[in-house]
Amino acid sequence: GDSVTQMEGPVTLSEEAFLTINCTYTATGYPSLFWYVQYPGEGLQLLLKATKADDKGSNKGFEATYRKETTSFHLEKGSVQVSDSAVYFCALSYDYKLSFGAGTTVTVRA
Amino acid sequence: DAGITQSPRHKVTETGTPVTLRCHQTENHRYMYWYRQDPGHGLRLIHYSYGVKDTDKGEVSDGYSVSRSKTEDFLLTLESATSSQTSVYFCAISESLQGVETQYFGPGTRLLVL
Repeated sequence: GDSVTQMEGPVTLSEEAFLTINCTYTATGYPSLFWYVQYPGEGLQLLLKATKADDKGSNKGFEATYRKETTSFHLEKGSVQVSDSAVYFCALSYDYKLSFGAGTTVTVRA
Repeated sequence: DAGITQSPRHKVTETGTPVTLRCHQTENHRYMYWYRQDPGHGLRLIHYSYGVKDTDKGEVSDGYSVSRSKTEDFLLTLESATSSQTSVYFCAISESLQGVETQYFGPGTRLLVL
């Protein structure tokens, strides 16, 4: 079935460092792809999305590009802040449902 | 904020007891979902609903049942709770955002089964 695999964490960075979280997917069709973020003690928030090949989603300095040729949707941010410490989930949609990756915990140190 | 509330937010119960979690939405969304979150597994779909009295199973539905008698409420029931059902439970709705069905999540219910 349709699924996503994202890089395992935890990831620890210093402030202003570059962040990349890898996400690859397996799908029979052309799913929409999402990144969600979960801050400590909170629910999931939509961070960004992309609906077709070469689409770029962006929000709060984060970006991800839908790459059909590599079946990937890697999340990047050029300069992280302490406030970016969270768990990040990659997900794809199929038949009105979502399939999630296992999540990547990111800790940013001052 | 998609107008989703969950109750209770925290619950401790004992093995073998029934438990019902409630999800309430205020914006008349057709699709509603229940997920559980466990370390190393991300979120996994338990059940979902596509209308009043219309529900279907997700990937981890064993031991759970759901009901939706009103558009705004989606109930998740653990008929006889087990320790393996200790988890954080999230409700979600689906909304069309720029032509894309996008899910939005409630704040979660933390359940501990002793």
